[in-house]
Amino acid sequence: DAGITQSPRHKVTETGTPVTLRCHQTENHRYMYWYRQDPGHGLRLIHYSYGVKDTDKGEVSDGYSVSRSKTEDFLLTLESATSSQTSVYFCAISDYSMPQHFGDGTRLSIL
Amino acid sequence: DQQVKQNSPSLSVQEGRISILNCDYTNSMFDYFLWYKKYPAEGPTFLISISSIKDKNEDGRFTVFLNKSAKHLSLHIVPSQPGDSAVYFCAASASNTDKLIFGTGTRLQVFP
Repeated sequence: DAGITQSPRHKVTETGTPVTLRCHQTENHRYMYWYRQDPGHGLRLIHYSYGVKDTDKGEVSDGYSVSRSKTEDFLLTLESATSSQTSVYFCAISDYSMPQHFGDGTRLSIL
Repeated sequence: DQQVKQNSPSLSVQEGRISILNCDYTNSMFDYFLWYKKYPAEGPTFLISISSIKDKNEDGRFTVFLNKSAKHLSLHIVPSQPGDSAVYFCAASASNTDKLIFGTGTRLQVFP
């Protein structure tokens, strides 16, 4: 397994609360990504990072923010969670000319 | 607007036979294609890739074929094994971006 750890693995929270998901890598890869997986949609990119403090939006970035203060950590924050953000969230990492490798996901339920 | 399409949500194949999973794309800028396999409660695992300069790439039981004129790629698994039962995602990217666009996945079931 590529050294990717997502935490927490499961979380249940209420609408309107802030939520932060963490992705930690031990591979020293430059690129990190956050995706969400929903039935009928496959995996959709939320945000990605191409270096410390360098981030950019993906196709479904509304309602999400990210931060990368260290190479190894990429945080995804839902400032005020909504039920539409109930999903499985995957972090991925890659380096130059390498395919992305994924963590095992965080299952987030917003009630 | 789905740029990468997997039109078959599921496929059932007998053990030992060939599994063929299909993927279509619309963006002519895509020049790198990947297949990922996903088991329940795990993250997707990279399986095989192909660059647009090739029309075939083989790795053991897995072969990916690319037809650029038809904007179509397929993954062949021969022979299929019960452990191949999983969801398979096709993904594509363009050389000027590090972003992948995924299809919606095909659930493969290999039965004895």
